[in-house]
Amino acid sequence: AQTVTQSQPEMSVQEAETVTLSCTYDTSESDYYLFWYKQPPSRQMILVIRQEAYKQQNATENRFSVNFQKAAKSFSLKISDSQLGDAAMYFCAYRKTSYDKVIFGPGTSLSVIP
Amino acid sequence: NAGVTQTPKFRVLKTGQSMTLLCAQDMNHEYMYWYRQDPGMGLRLIHYSVGEGTTAKGEVPDGYNVSRLKKQNFLLGLESAAPSQTSVYFCASSYSISSGKQETQYFGPGTRLLVL
Repeated sequence: AQTVTQSQPEMSVQEAETVTLSCTYDTSESDYYLFWYKQPPSRQMILVIRQEAYKQQNATENRFSVNFQKAAKSFSLKISDSQLGDAAMYFCAYRKTSYDKVIFGPGTSLSVIP
Repeated sequence: NAGVTQTPKFRVLKTGQSMTLLCAQDMNHEYMYWYRQDPGMGLRLIHYSVGEGTTAKGEVPDGYNVSRLKKQNFLLGLESAAPSQTSVYFCASSYSISSGKQETQYFGPGTRLLVL
């Protein structure tokens, strides 16, 4: 069965600095999708970034980028120039291509220090 | 375009009571999902649907039933609520992979349920 692990329950970063959130996953599939979702105190789940496993190029979205290491089954999220609004729970998620369930990690709570 | 909406936003039930949570989406998505979120456990899939009239079990289906009579609506029912079902419930929807469109899941705002 596929699993998603986030080994950092809590992290903090100084405003304007860079922080990296870790995620590892376990799968025997070769094709799949990976996601990072952000959940602010409002509880709304917001998609931050997605990565297709067949693409070697790491996805980027403005200040957010990923380091996708397929062989190591690692999918970390880098947030550059951190802003106060980045404070939230961040969930790493996996989805098998031919399967429509999304498996979520336990989350990392990110605090941004002014 | 409201996206994914959930009704109600908050509800308190007594043990043994029943209720239905409503999820609606206006994006013409084929797939819909119900998750529950508990502290330290991320989101766990309860049930999902890949089309009108079809449903399937997720990771934690016990104690819940669902129905997808219309494409835009996905109902989650609790027939006899238990304190263990106290949680925040999220609905999500997405295009199907076979549609060729991006299959990213879009989430509703959540329903907080307290069972006493």
